[in-house]
Amino acid sequence: GAGVSQSPRYKVAKRGQDVALRCDPISGHVSLFWYQQALGQGPEFLTYFQNEAQLDKSGLPSDRFFAERPEGSVSTLKIQRTQQEDSAVYLCASSFSSGTSGAGLSYEQYFGPGTRLTVT
Amino acid sequence: AQSVTQLGSHVSVSEGALVLLRCNYSSSVPPYLFWYVQYPNQGLQLLLKYTTGATLVKGINGFEAEFKKSETSFHLTKPSAHMSDAAEYFCAVSDDNAGGTSYGKLTFGQGTILTVHP
Repeated sequence: GAGVSQSPRYKVAKRGQDVALRCDPISGHVSLFWYQQALGQGPEFLTYFQNEAQLDKSGLPSDRFFAERPEGSVSTLKIQRTQQEDSAVYLCASSFSSGTSGAGLSYEQYFGPGTRLTVT
Repeated sequence: AQSVTQLGSHVSVSEGALVLLRCNYSSSVPPYLFWYVQYPNQGLQLLLKYTTGATLVKGINGFEAEFKKSETSFHLTKPSAHMSDAAEYFCAVSDDNAGGTSYGKLTFGQGTILTVHP
């Protein structure tokens, strides 16, 4: 398909397990974002990639969270030793923006359907 | 730091009535502003955006929003609600990394759930 895809769509993990969430951005999109959306809240920024470079990881809530995009396309968000507070929908978005100021700011971000993580 | 406030977590209107969803933002520089819609179990879809130029912005599905700098507002409106408009709506602002290159990180409001009654 032409849109952003994420897998799995739903994940149930027991507390303490590691999980890996996958994002397939739109082909050719340079920028890739991860957001966390807790129940009843708006999405919150986690991390940003420009191609394979992780330029901003200021939103990652702890060192248990790790993201990578080794070839500048598919990205994986990994959460180690999951906790109940990690339960949320994890959204991936991609953009054609090259990350420069001005024009880059207005480029639309295309969102995937999200992965709903439930930690029991 | 930027922030977005959406007044009213739930808005209910009758089919055919005016839709008004409120959004106020704080930003130290001229912002880029967005409205996204989220249907159940789907990702966010862009409704409209304001970057520069005309302050009244028209989007998809008959929605529009007006950027009012003096009020730091970007309220979303639609003259006549349809049942298909029932969804959650998010206002967002782009980052303003004054210290270097900005890349469009979004700060979202908490969302407004719109219910449309027959």
